[in-house]
Amino acid sequence: DAKTTQPNSMESNEEEPVHLPCNHSTISGTDYIHWYRQLPSQGPEYVIHGLTSNVNNRMASLAIAEDRKSSTLILHRATLRDAAVYYCILLISSGSARQLTFGSGTQLTVLP
Amino acid sequence: NAGVMQNPRHLVRRRGQEARLRCSPMKGHSHVYWYRQLPEEGLKFMVYLQKENIIDESGMPKERFSAEFPKEGPSILRIQQVVRGDSAAYFCASSAGVLTNYGYTFGSGTRLTVV
Repeated sequence: DAKTTQPNSMESNEEEPVHLPCNHSTISGTDYIHWYRQLPSQGPEYVIHGLTSNVNNRMASLAIAEDRKSSTLILHRATLRDAAVYYCILLISSGSARQLTFGSGTQLTVLP
Repeated sequence: NAGVMQNPRHLVRRRGQEARLRCSPMKGHSHVYWYRQLPEEGLKFMVYLQKENIIDESGMPKERFSAEFPKEGPSILRIQQVVRGDSAAYFCASSAGVLTNYGYTFGSGTRLTVV
């Protein structure tokens, strides 16, 4: 899977929006962008994924740059329960055997 | 609608013993993935299975580790003759299909401690 680059850590205040960036300059046209998060002492949790268009779900929004070389996960109102490590992962669409390759992610701290 | 169930949650083994970790995927999911997370490290892929088949075991250590996903019952990750370096959290995930259009659902993990 192609490589992604994320900041090691970010801080946000409670009830404010959070924008988590991810660079993926080597992305190819058929790579999907997936986001997962891992809360302390828990398994990873699927957040959102997309290909070209911006995506929204109940947890977050995913804004994908027009050239697809970067994306941003948006939490509209951060809560203390959103404190976690957030992983941006590229997934190639071709082939039959695929698995997520986790990097080091962004540790999000939410301040009360 | 139960999620991915892993048991036990915590497992303590003495060096040289065997560890068996179980994973029941979500209902309707036929793809299972195992990951290992060493203390203070990231998640590392180990193996990808479908019913009765190992699809990709490129992340499995060459010795002592094996995995299966039988036609009936849970997926099993087996570690023989455990050593202290096997102490880690082991996560199982399942999906309904090949990943591009599906997210993974992860279990809560099994925390293995080798003493």
